Order: sequence, then C-alpha cells, then structure tokens
Amino acid sequence: ILNVEQSPQSLHVQEGDSTNFTCSFPSSNFYALHWYRWETAKSPEALFVMTLNGDEKKKGRISATLNTKEGYSYLYIKGSQPEDSATYLCAYERGTGANNLFFGTGTRLTVIP
Amino acid sequence: NAGVTQTPKFQVLKTGQSMTLQCAQDMNHNSMYWYRQDPGMGLRLIYYSASEGTTDKGEVPNGYNVSRLNKREFSLRLESAAPSQTSVYFCASSDSGGYTGELFFGEGSRLTVL
Repeated sequence: ILNVEQSPQSLHVQEGDSTNFTCSFPSSNFYALHWYRWETAKSPEALFVMTLNGDEKKKGRISATLNTKEGYSYLYIKGSQPEDSATYLCAYERGTGANNLFFGTGTRLTVIP
Repeated sequence: NAGVTQTPKFQVLKTGQSMTLQCAQDMNHNSMYWYRQDPGMGLRLIYYSASEGTTDKGEVPNGYNVSRLNKREFSLRLESAAPSQTSVYFCASSDSGGYTGELFFGEGSRLTVL
C-alpha cells in the first residue's frame, strides 16, 4: 500500500482568509503530482499537474508548490471565497500507467461567509 | 460540453443482483478508467483501458468486469453484487500521451447493495 497523505483532513476558514494544506508522498520514483478540486455532487476537476522539483503553478487565487526531494506539495488559496468550499485531492504518480497513480483522501475546505 | 457522462447516478441493488454502469466521453481520449470512492479512502482504481481494445486490472478489480465498447464508451459490470461493493463509482478519461496525465471525471454513480 502506497501512502499519499493529506493534511488537515478538514478545515473551516472565514471568507477573505488565506489558507494552505499539504500533500505528502514518497520521495522516490516520482513522476508527477496532481491536484484536483471536488465540489459536492460534481466531478473532480484538475487544478494542476506538476512534474519538476521546485515547480510552482498558479490559477487565479490558487497556487501550488512542489518539493520532490522531501516528498510534499502545498496548495495555497489566497483570500478564500465561499465558492472555494470543496474537497481538494492530490494524487502521486510514480511512473507511467494508470496503476501508478495514487490518490490521497483529500482536504475538505469550508469557507464561512 | 458533456465531457464524461455516467449513468445511472443512483442505484440500489440487492445482494446477488447484477448491473452495468455506463460511461461515455466526447473528448476523443484514448484512456478511460473506473475508480471507486469509499469513506476515509482515496480513489482506488478498479479497471482501466489505455486504448480502444485493451483493458487492465487496477488495484481492486475483484467482483467487476469491464468492456471498452469503442473509443467513447467504457462500461463496468457487477455480475453478483455484494454489500462490500456499496460505493461511489467514478469514470474518468485522459489523453494519456504515454502517462496518466490530467484526468477528466464524470459526476459519479452512487451504488448501494443491500
């Protein structure tokens, strides 16, 4: 069993606050790290796919960083809005082929107006 | 844009009954996948199809069969449903280009086996 750990499991923030959460994965055999955003009753949607150590990606108020040597990625949300409420999933890819993609259990974010 | 469409969205079965979950994508993707989501666990791969005409087992294939009917469609069949198969099932597709790449998911099918 390959562990991809996300922390915290859930958090509540006030509208306007900035927040961040963590995805930890094995530092060996790294191929890619995915972040998905999953709103209740909707499909998970890809935010970022990162492949290089030191990668930083940004989409609007959401950004992510990647450290493959120590095996972690951070997702940041600046100025959280109620529409950011969702579960954020990360997935670690250790090689080619679908059997090499492993999902974490997610961080559930609730933004309080 | 339809993207990935799954049917049905909800289903209740009795133990031993069979059913098929249907999935179709309109993005001309080569690869398609079936995952299950259980409380406290990450998405787990049941079966996948890297290209039309091929299927392979994932992490949790027992009790399931799949058919890649054509490039668009990938179905998941439960021949004799068990309570342990109560879960939310997600179909996904990707234009893999040799690696998994970004996945495009359907909205999920919630299955309850009594």
